[in-house]
Amino acid sequence: QVHLVQSGAEVKKPGASVKVSCKTSGYSFTGYDMHWVRQAPGQGLEWMGWIKPNSGDTNFAQKFQGRVTMTRDTSISTAYMELTSLRSDDTAMYYCARVAVLRGRSFDYWGQGTQVTVSS
Amino acid sequence: EIVLTQSPGTLSLSPGERATLSCRASQSVSSSYLAWYQQKPGQAPRLLIYGAFSRATGTPDRFSGSGSGTDFTLTISRLEPEDFAVYYCQQYGSLWTFGQGTKVEFK
Repeated sequence: QVHLVQSGAEVKKPGASVKVSCKTSGYSFTGYDMHWVRQAPGQGLEWMGWIKPNSGDTNFAQKFQGRVTMTRDTSISTAYMELTSLRSDDTAMYYCARVAVLRGRSFDYWGQGTQVTVSS
Repeated sequence: EIVLTQSPGTLSLSPGERATLSCRASQSVSSSYLAWYQQKPGQAPRLLIYGAFSRATGTPDRFSGSGSGTDFTLTISRLEPEDFAVYYCQQYGSLWTFGQGTKVEFK
């Protein structure tokens, strides 16, 4: 059974950084790209970027370039997303999601989400 | 960046009715890379349809996807109570983008 389990909720002050983890199980971690998607309160889904776990290669939406880092630890099948210089409008639920290459690069499994709140 | 525009923003229907949700792309999208997701309050999105018309595992056959080029449609043939949710389309071109969502609510 495929599982993506994310780290717990975070409260950060403006200007701080946050690092969210996504621990996977039930499949070959290095065989599937991992994406990160966020959702502000009452808003839609916003794609942030991806990481290829086998190589560490990344690609980000232009909006997040320079502020986001995505890494992975293959020894524990875990992906990480770090967002720096946090602002109030970064308050959102952050999801990791596995890409299904054989399903049109759609996202077939999702983490449960990590709530990040940015407040002074 | 390919922009996806979903309509209507909200669809007010009753159980048993047919729901038709639209997703329009700012430029042509490969049908292979168009997906639909369902999201219920407090839950992560769930993959419903990929490749424009292929049902994901566990998706009931009352859900169907169609379309090509810049116009895609998700149809729910007869709404069940558990289908009232928000639906998002998503495309993969060189990067991924989502539509803004359509909420299907009880009339």
